[in-house]
Amino acid sequence: DGGITQSPKYLFRKEGQNVTLSCEQNLNHDAMYWYRQDPGQGLRLIYYSQIVNDFQKGDIAEGYSVSREKKESFPLTVTSAQKNPTAFYLCASSSTAGSYNEQFFGPGTRLTVL
Amino acid sequence: QQPVQSPQAVILREGEDAVINCSSSKALYSVHWYRQKHGEAPVFLMILLKGGEQKGHDKISASFNEKKQQSSLYLTASQLSYSGTYFCGTPQDRPGAGSYQLTFGKGTKLSVIP
Repeated sequence: DGGITQSPKYLFRKEGQNVTLSCEQNLNHDAMYWYRQDPGQGLRLIYYSQIVNDFQKGDIAEGYSVSREKKESFPLTVTSAQKNPTAFYLCASSSTAGSYNEQFFGPGTRLTVL
Repeated sequence: QQPVQSPQAVILREGEDAVINCSSSKALYSVHWYRQKHGEAPVFLMILLKGGEQKGHDKISASFNEKKQQSSLYLTASQLSYSGTYFCGTPQDRPGAGSYQLTFGKGTKLSVIP
């Protein structure tokens, strides 16, 4: 079955540590996205990638980094520079970039900083 | 610019109808609607691409008024399974990126009770 997988489902981190969230898709989609979700805030775009080896900052990129070395993978690193990283992180993909294509979401990773 | 959704929350009894609105301060070219159940990933409902377009999905339909820069989601004869948070997404130009990416509203929490 095609879809998006994210791991781990729950992640705990100590302050000052970097952590990497995994996102893999087997839908053969060109575009991939990372969103952050906080209660009452909706989905906020962190980074997106329109094609392999290319990515762009979204609305809240500070304290995060990404890479897109393979079409199916788009990992997100939450660095120690991110002041308030506790949140629910969602990865998504669409066939191509742009606003006319449906986005498919992964199950999410809930990150908690202790 | 984040689209504005109203109401923020609504409680319905099974069989009742509801309307969720999504408005933008900028011109709209398309509107996406997604539903997210608690702790799960958002699921795509529909995209409206033209002003005046209306679409239906079971007993959930939507309209898009380009001139008024708004879209409305209609839920008729609500079922328990309709409970969740509904998000609209509208395209926003990303400077330097050469593409439009979605910006989501804060969501409308719908609770259907027996």
